[in-house]
Amino acid sequence: GDSVTQMEGPVTLSEEAFLTINCTYTATGYPSLFWYVQYPGEGLQLLLKATKADDKGSNKGFEATYRKETTSFHLEKGSVQVSDSAVYFCALSEPGAGSYQLTFGKGTKLSVIP
Amino acid sequence: EAGVAQSPRYKIIEKRQSVAFWCNPISGHATLYWYQQILGQGPKLLIQFQNNGVVDDSQLPKDRFSAERLKGVDSTLKIQPAKLEDSAVYLCASSGLAGVMSTDTQYFGPGTRLTVL
Repeated sequence: GDSVTQMEGPVTLSEEAFLTINCTYTATGYPSLFWYVQYPGEGLQLLLKATKADDKGSNKGFEATYRKETTSFHLEKGSVQVSDSAVYFCALSEPGAGSYQLTFGKGTKLSVIP
Repeated sequence: EAGVAQSPRYKIIEKRQSVAFWCNPISGHATLYWYQQILGQGPKLLIQFQNNGVVDDSQLPKDRFSAERLKGVDSTLKIQPAKLEDSAVYLCASSGLAGVMSTDTQYFGPGTRLTVL
């Protein structure tokens, strides 16, 4: 079945450092890929998505490129801020019978210190 | 545009008691999902509705969990009786416009944090 593996945390960075959170996936077809972010005490928010190979999703300075050859969707940001402290989830969605169920990774907790 | 609403935000019960969670999706969204998120893990799908019909409930522990979406709008998830391992955050999400095929982007509510003692 489908699965998502993302780098384990927690990750602690200083403000303005470069961020990479690795994510790889296993899927039978051609999934859409997502990064969701969960701030403390809140629900999941869609951060960015990509629906086909070589697509780049971007939002709020975060980027991720859909790499079919390496089955990866790594999240990057050039300069993190304290406000980026949250848990980040990589996920995939593969349509089946009109259903777009999400399969999530375990999440990576990011802490950014001033 | 209002987001996905859930209530209550927090609930503490003792094992073997029953509990119910409520979700109101984004207006016009035909597809509704319930997820269970255990501490330190990613969300796991429990059940998916398309309008008022069940699309997938294969991961719902049907001996104790039930869910309904009678009028194709809001939904209720119930646990009876609760076990210690049911302690988790229960997330509701919605997607897709009514009358249109589901889309791949889901929008999540704030969740209900359940603690079973």
